[in-house]
Amino acid sequence: AQSVTQPDIHITVSEGASLELRCNYSYGATPYLFWYVQSPGQGLQLLLKYFSGDTLVQGIKGFEAEFKRSQSSFNLRKPSVHWSDAAEYFCAVRGGDTGRRALTFGSGTRLQVQP
Amino acid sequence: NAGVMQNPRHLVRRRGQEARLRCSPMKGHSHVYWYRQLPEEGLKFMVYLQKENIIDESGMPKERFSAEFPKEGPSILRIQQVVRGDSAAYFCASSPGASVSHNEQFFGPGTRLTVL
Repeated sequence: AQSVTQPDIHITVSEGASLELRCNYSYGATPYLFWYVQSPGQGLQLLLKYFSGDTLVQGIKGFEAEFKRSQSSFNLRKPSVHWSDAAEYFCAVRGGDTGRRALTFGSGTRLQVQP
Repeated sequence: NAGVMQNPRHLVRRRGQEARLRCSPMKGHSHVYWYRQLPEEGLKFMVYLQKENIIDESGMPKERFSAEFPKEGPSILRIQQVVRGDSAAYFCASSPGASVSHNEQFFGPGTRLTVL
């Protein structure tokens, strides 16, 4: 069964500082990986996705993530955080070409940004 | 081009009543997914439907919950005889179709169900 672990429940960073949110997944084959962001009371917005190819993927709002197969990780990074980035971030995995379509989500990391 | 639409956005029910949650996928999308988010938790998959077919319902509770996606009209998630533990945010997502490159899921704003 596939699973996703986000080890950090809460993270606080200062505005302008760099950010890295951790995500580890468990899946038997090549996974499809996603990062979503959720603002309070809102739905989920896709930040970026990895299907295949270049293991460093660029997303919206200046975010990027790197797929590391050897570590089963897909960590999200941003070089300089803005106050508007405060939100909850979810990593998700689903099966590849012939796998299950449903997404399996981690429990989320809540990001606070200090001025 | 409107995104995924869900209504109502907020729904209050008393224990034992029925809750009906509606989801209109993005234009051109024929696949719908329902997820549930309990307070302080991530989203959990419930059911995956195509028009007139349930493809994967492995995440649906065995009793009181049902889902449909008719040929015409929105997808409906129905919860009968609601209990307090059903209080959650229910999200719908849609995707275009079977092609691998089109399997990104677009999420609606959610319906927040409160059971009194």
